[in-house]
Amino acid sequence: DAGVTQSPTHLIKTRGQQVTLRCSPKSGHDTVSWYQQALGQGPQFIFQYYEEEERQRGNFPDRFSGHQFPNYSSELNVNALLLGDSALYLCASSLVGVQETQYFGPGTRLLVL
Amino acid sequence: DAKTTQPPSMDCAEGRAANLPCNHSTISGNEYVYWYRQIHSQGPQYIIHGLKNNETNEMASLIITEDRKSSTLILPHATLRDTAVYYCIARRLNYGGSQGNLIFGKGTKLSVKP
Repeated sequence: DAGVTQSPTHLIKTRGQQVTLRCSPKSGHDTVSWYQQALGQGPQFIFQYYEEEERQRGNFPDRFSGHQFPNYSSELNVNALLLGDSALYLCASSLVGVQETQYFGPGTRLLVL
Repeated sequence: DAKTTQPPSMDCAEGRAANLPCNHSTISGNEYVYWYRQIHSQGPQYIIHGLKNNETNEMASLIITEDRKSSTLILPHATLRDTAVYYCIARRLNYGGSQGNLIFGKGTKLSVKP
């Protein structure tokens, strides 16, 4: 049973650049959520995608955008990178329904210089 | 979603039971208690969740008080690999609608010692 996968594992960018992170959900799941985890903090919710649309959004600026594809995989895009965007970006997948337990991938470590 | 309070750190001897407390005194009737853990630099791992009954799975047991204001996660025989940050989360669930997302606090750093 394939779990949640994310790519790349690590990434280095410079300020002002744009980045795209990718996520493939656990087999059978149809919903993808993205979280940002700064060093020493708990993950913070960015947004969630279901049926190729953004279903919920946390308190993140419009520089953060996403997309979900028909095969349920998802991308997170961040424009105009800031030093403060350096973090571990986590993808979690779930199956829409009553409880929707979220299962996380290993994350992508982004460093902005 | 209700706020949860956890001790910042705990120690446990290898082979002994680890009991991790969580206070959620303002939890509402439609909020589940979820537990995740995060081993250094990895993604959070789902452990268990419950509403009001005690729950057990292959990883842990979850004991929720009758008034639902607190709960305890029990790892029955802790090993060195259980060293991690453990997060207790109160999560609102809406039947038929969009579900509440996970609001992580700082969690409890559990250190299992030989």
